[in-house]
Amino acid sequence: DAGVIQSPRHEVTEMGQEVTLRCKPISGHNSLFWYRQTMMRGLELLIYFNNNVPIDDSGMPEDRFSAKMPNASFSTLKIQPSEPRDSAVYFCASSLTGVGSPLHFGNGTRLTVT
Amino acid sequence: AQSVTQLGSHVSVSEGALVLLRCNYSSSVPPYLFWYVQYPNQGLQLLLKYTTGATLVKGINGFEAEFKKSETSFHLTKPSAHMSDAAEYFCAVSDRDYKLSFGAGTTVTVRA
Repeated sequence: DAGVIQSPRHEVTEMGQEVTLRCKPISGHNSLFWYRQTMMRGLELLIYFNNNVPIDDSGMPEDRFSAKMPNASFSTLKIQPSEPRDSAVYFCASSLTGVGSPLHFGNGTRLTVT
Repeated sequence: AQSVTQLGSHVSVSEGALVLLRCNYSSSVPPYLFWYVQYPNQGLQLLLKYTTGATLVKGINGFEAEFKKSETSFHLTKPSAHMSDAAEYFCAVSDRDYKLSFGAGTTVTVRA
């Protein structure tokens, strides 16, 4: 079990640039989550996919953020254009669908927007 | 709506001493409760979870937690701290759907 794989681990970009974060969930998991972690706001759920379909995107901060899951083994989170306040650690997590199923987190992407 | 309160953002213990991290929750239905640990520059890892059944739950690395419905608490304990326990710990609650509400986290430092 390779775990949830995220890339890149670190991303430094300038304000206004497009940023794409990538996630490969654990094989067989049919739920995928994107979280953002900051000192000020803690862990925030951005979007939840089930069987590749976005179920809840109410946590996506604004239209600059978008997420896709074209197949069961890949998801992206895109920010366009990026702003300094987007600087955070972004985590992808996957799980089996079902009550009480724990989340398996990737190691995150640390995004710095200058 | 579900929510979690972790009492104490920082806890410092001596190696070999008891570790006690406090978590109180609010939930409109019997909750599912979780403790996760985050080591520096890593994602969160599941320590233990409570769904139904026995209220004392044992997890990895010698940690355990007890679900007390009357106190709406799910405190995490470890009898003897080890240097490797230094990390940030998160309590989380689920109202039986996909949404987890995380606490703000408690950072544990272990003194030699």
